[in-house]
Amino acid sequence: ETGVTQSPTHLIKTRGQQVTLRCSSQSGHNTVSWYQQALGQGPQFIFQYYREEENGRGNFPPRFSGLQFPNYSSELNVNALELDDSALYLCASSPMDRGIAGELFFGEGSRLTVL
Amino acid sequence: AQSVTQPDIHITVSEGASLELRCNYSYGATPYLFWYVQSPGQGLQLLLKYFSGDTLVQGIKGFEAEFKRSQSSFNLRKPSVHWSDAAEYFCAVGATNDYKLSFGAGTTVTVRA
Repeated sequence: ETGVTQSPTHLIKTRGQQVTLRCSSQSGHNTVSWYQQALGQGPQFIFQYYREEENGRGNFPPRFSGLQFPNYSSELNVNALELDDSALYLCASSPMDRGIAGELFFGEGSRLTVL
Repeated sequence: AQSVTQPDIHITVSEGASLELRCNYSYGATPYLFWYVQSPGQGLQLLLKYFSGDTLVQGIKGFEAEFKRSQSSFNLRKPSVHWSDAAEYFCAVGATNDYKLSFGAGTTVTVRA
């Protein structure tokens, strides 16, 4: 069984640029969530996708957007990057239907550095 | 909205000694509770979870946690730590009819020989 995979693992961008992060969910999981983990902090919920629709969103501005594809893989897009966007971005998939936060299976994350 | 507090930022423990990590949550109803572990440069791995039923929960790697509703706590314990237990530990709470987990700030565990 293949777990959650994310790409790229590391990347460096400059302020104002745009970035796309990718995530393949674990086999059989139809829900994907994205979390931002700043250095020394716990993960913060960005949004969740279920059946290709945004199912819920945390306290993040609209320049954070996402997609989910028919195969349940997902992208996180961040426009107009700011220095504070530097963080580890974690993707998590779940076999639970939307409406209930169940067990999440995390990928190893994409480390974004904004200069 | 639910929230989690992990009062201890950093704990140092000797190999073979017992370990207890504290977690307090805030939520108006019965929560879903989780403990995750994160090794350096890695994602999060689930150690154990509580949804309902027995308040003492057994997890992987010899960890257990106890849900105490009266204290709004879900403390993690291990009787004898191994050097490989050095990592960051996160407590998280989820709510019924909700789609997100709220994480604490984490506790870093250092294991000394």
